[in-house]
Amino acid sequence: QKEVEQDPGPLSVPEGAIVSLNCTYSNSAFQYFMWYRQYSRKGPELLMYTYSSGNKEDGRFTAQVDKSSKYISLFIRDSQPSDSATYLCAMSSYSSASKIIFGSGTRLSIRP
Amino acid sequence: DAGVTQSPTHLIKTRGQQVTLRCSPKSGHDTVSWYQQALGQGPQFIFQYYEEEERQRGNFPDRFSGHQFPNYSSELNVNALLLGDSALYLCASGLGGIGSYEQYFGPGTRLTVT
Repeated sequence: QKEVEQDPGPLSVPEGAIVSLNCTYSNSAFQYFMWYRQYSRKGPELLMYTYSSGNKEDGRFTAQVDKSSKYISLFIRDSQPSDSATYLCAMSSYSSASKIIFGSGTRLSIRP
Repeated sequence: DAGVTQSPTHLIKTRGQQVTLRCSPKSGHDTVSWYQQALGQGPQFIFQYYEEEERQRGNFPDRFSGHQFPNYSSELNVNALLLGDSALYLCASGLGGIGSYEQYFGPGTRLTVT
């Protein structure tokens, strides 16, 4: 069993829709939770990060962490065609914060 | 301010050969981590360098080795290449050694082993 599970998609939604991306994990030691966006043939770009449980909002993006369920989410409001990319959830523990464990990524396509 | 840079962009090697990939961290960063990303998968942690020493290592064989220089730049070396080593190799930089979860990635080096 992988430490981090993520639905690979692909996910296709119309422009303006709300997108929900999710990951589950098994390691209760994870404390730092990140979302990366990766365009084709590019390196991952850090979108958001949170520590422990709770919500964090940044513009059209909201990250949620539910440690009791070992479940994290990323919501994208008013989705745009430029949001089309692969979204990777990632996490690490307090004792090894820079050893980041990634999900396999969800490919998202926003239809104009 | 330059971000993380990697060279070369692409590389083609034959099975059994050796390869060296290079990374310069973002200005002000002192740690460099290396990741392997196979097609359709998320990046997998290879190892991290801090203060010119390997501080953490993932589940990769000894064929994978590295080095960090006094200017914080880093090299990844892979010996005895296998077909399965074909992947995108990503370098990420950050601050503060193992305590830094905030990592910034370079564009990667695409390695093809034939």
